[in-house]
Amino acid sequence: AQSVTQLDSHVSVSEGTPVLLRCNYSSSYSPSLFWYVQHPNKGLQLLLKYTSAATLVKGINGFEAEFKKSETSFHLTKPSAHMSDAAEYFCVVSVFNAGNNRKLIWGLGTSLAVNP
Amino acid sequence: SQTIHQWPATLVQPVGSPLSLECTVEGTSNPNLYWYRQAAGRGLQLLFYSVGIGQISSEVPQNLSASRPQDRQFILSSKKLLLSDSGFYLCAWSVGGSGSPLHFGNGTRLTVT
Repeated sequence: AQSVTQLDSHVSVSEGTPVLLRCNYSSSYSPSLFWYVQHPNKGLQLLLKYTSAATLVKGINGFEAEFKKSETSFHLTKPSAHMSDAAEYFCVVSVFNAGNNRKLIWGLGTSLAVNP
Repeated sequence: SQTIHQWPATLVQPVGSPLSLECTVEGTSNPNLYWYRQAAGRGLQLLFYSVGIGQISSEVPQNLSASRPQDRQFILSSKKLLLSDSGFYLCAWSVGGSGSPLHFGNGTRLTVT
């Protein structure tokens, strides 16, 4: 069965310190993976995506994620948190189901708080 | 460039009233279109998706329906709203295969009173 697990529902960091948001997935096929960010009462914005090219993916706003097949992980990182990074973050896996239809599997989200 | 418009931004409706949320996409042809609902403190739930005009797939049984009267227009409707329909509704589009991301509208906050 395919699934996505975001290991932390809430993460709190101080401004200027590193950010780590963890995501593990389960998929029978080679997946495409995405990270989205959502600020309060806003739509979701794509941060970055992995589609079987380079395993280290760089995204917008200084975020990056590394695809590790052996660990089935796709953790999101940023070297130095900024106040504006406070938001909800979603990890998403894109797979094809048995009917060859595309299916997106969403994590439940990680709320990132950045303290001054 | 492609843009997606979703309206209204907020809506307060009484129980039993009808609903119509509209979403339009510009700058792309034959997109896949999606309606998601996001309940407070929970992840995203796919409600409907469409791969073409008049083609609607429903993911979960519910009090809502969707229609795609034009290539770049996607409408979410209900004949009679329930309290449980409250939530944040998001429209999204994509083109291409499994590696293509979804692009989201700004959402509609629906409160059913």
